Amino acid sequence: GENVEQHPSTLSVQEGDSAVIKCTYSDSASNYFPWYKQELGKRPQLIIDIRSNVGEKKDQRIAVTLNKTAKHFSLHITETQPEDSAVYFCAASNLFGQGNLIFGKGTKLSVKP
Amino acid sequence: ETGVTQTPRHLVMGMTNKKSLKCEQHLGHNAMYWYKQSAKKPLELMFVYSLEERVENNSVPSRFSPECPNSSHLFLHLHTLQPEDSALYLCASSQEPGTGVPYEQYFGPGTRLTVT
Repeated sequence: GENVEQHPSTLSVQEGDSAVIKCTYSDSASNYFPWYKQELGKRPQLIIDIRSNVGEKKDQRIAVTLNKTAKHFSLHITETQPEDSAVYFCAASNLFGQGNLIFGKGTKLSVKP
Repeated sequence: ETGVTQTPRHLVMGMTNKKSLKCEQHLGHNAMYWYKQSAKKPLELMFVYSLEERVENNSVPSRFSPECPNSSHLFLHLHTLQPEDSALYLCASSQEPGTGVPYEQYFGPGTRLTVT
């Protein structure tokens, strides 16, 4: 089955700096890669996703890149703000298979003002 | 509260107790999920129900028993739990997975379970 590895487990940056979180997946059949954000004491929420027919997707300060050959994808946050502090989870899924999301172990991002 | 709701929000139970967690979704979805969230395994999938049928059970101990009476409700029945079962239990719902269409999982607020 699919296995998703996520790094780093913790990341601390200064406000205004960029943050990058990386994930690798094992199943070449995976074709959908969402990212969820979980603020302290709150539920995980989808922030951005990418399908395997696209190499990059951007939404304001966040972007996701995908390298199908290397089976890895990354979340990029630019101009970080304190409200970006949260745990971020990557996930992988085969939309045409069982379709379940397999999550990484999460990255705790701290943005220091 | 709209979307996905869970009750109770907090639960303390002894190892010999029997209790149930409840999840309800108001989004018209036809798939529901139970996740266990702990420090060791932050988002561990336990059960998946799609169109009210269980489609996945990731080798979860039998002391956890799910029930999905309809597409809007999901229960997790608990009995003779162990202290290591203490965790946040998250329910989620989505459109049916595996149809080729990207979908978002909507999570509930979770039930914080403590087993003493």
